[in-house]
Amino acid sequence: DIVMTQSPDSLAVSLGERATINCKSSQSVLFSSNNKNYLAWYQQKVGQPPKLLIYWASTRESGVPDRFSGSGSGTDFSLTISSLQPEDVAVYYCQQYYTTPQTFGQGTKLEIK
Amino acid sequence: QVTLKESGPVLVKPTETLTLTCTVSGFSLDNAKMGVSWIRQPPGKALEWLAHIFSNDETSCSTSLKSRLTVSKDTSRSQVVLSMTNMDPVDTATYYCARTRGAYGSGTYYSDYWGQGTLVTVSS
Repeated sequence: DIVMTQSPDSLAVSLGERATINCKSSQSVLFSSNNKNYLAWYQQKVGQPPKLLIYWASTRESGVPDRFSGSGSGTDFSLTISSLQPEDVAVYYCQQYYTTPQTFGQGTKLEIK
Repeated sequence: QVTLKESGPVLVKPTETLTLTCTVSGFSLDNAKMGVSWIRQPPGKALEWLAHIFSNDETSCSTSLKSRLTVSKDTSRSQVVLSMTNMDPVDTATYYCARTRGAYGSGTYYSDYWGQGTLVTVSS
């Protein structure tokens, strides 16, 4: 199975500042035939199911604010929130769907400083 | 409007079989570009992918849980059923079903709609 490792485990950022969460996969999730990275990011607020933010590593889901962006390729990825808002407090997960079983990172808890 | 809703027992005893139903609306279970996945989350812990069923009834399951899992669907009733045998207290978790993009042959992709989840506790 591909192991997904996120860093840091928790993060406190001031309102309006940038927050960056990293995700590393134990093997490449880049499919060479279509040049797509099989990686998604989810946001999970307390008591709620996960919400899809980003897929194909950098494609923002419809309705997701443009302060959220995804980057990276191969084995190293990042989710960036350009200007933290109070409603962004949540746990964030990366997920690879390159192979079955799909696997998730351990989560990064984002708080307001 | 796409919705998914999980239903089933909130409490099961060790060694029993858990059966959960996911009722979907807003899309068809015979849509070749999507399927339904089951994911669980123990209290305070990370997400764990369990299984997926494609539109053609083909399934894919977690390597570690494969011997315990069965997934099926009834397209006419818009329902997907997950069965997990020999339940143990470590299986206590919130179980989610989610619409997942992808097709048989190309693989499962990201999950764009999730149910609210159902908390299942395994205890005698």
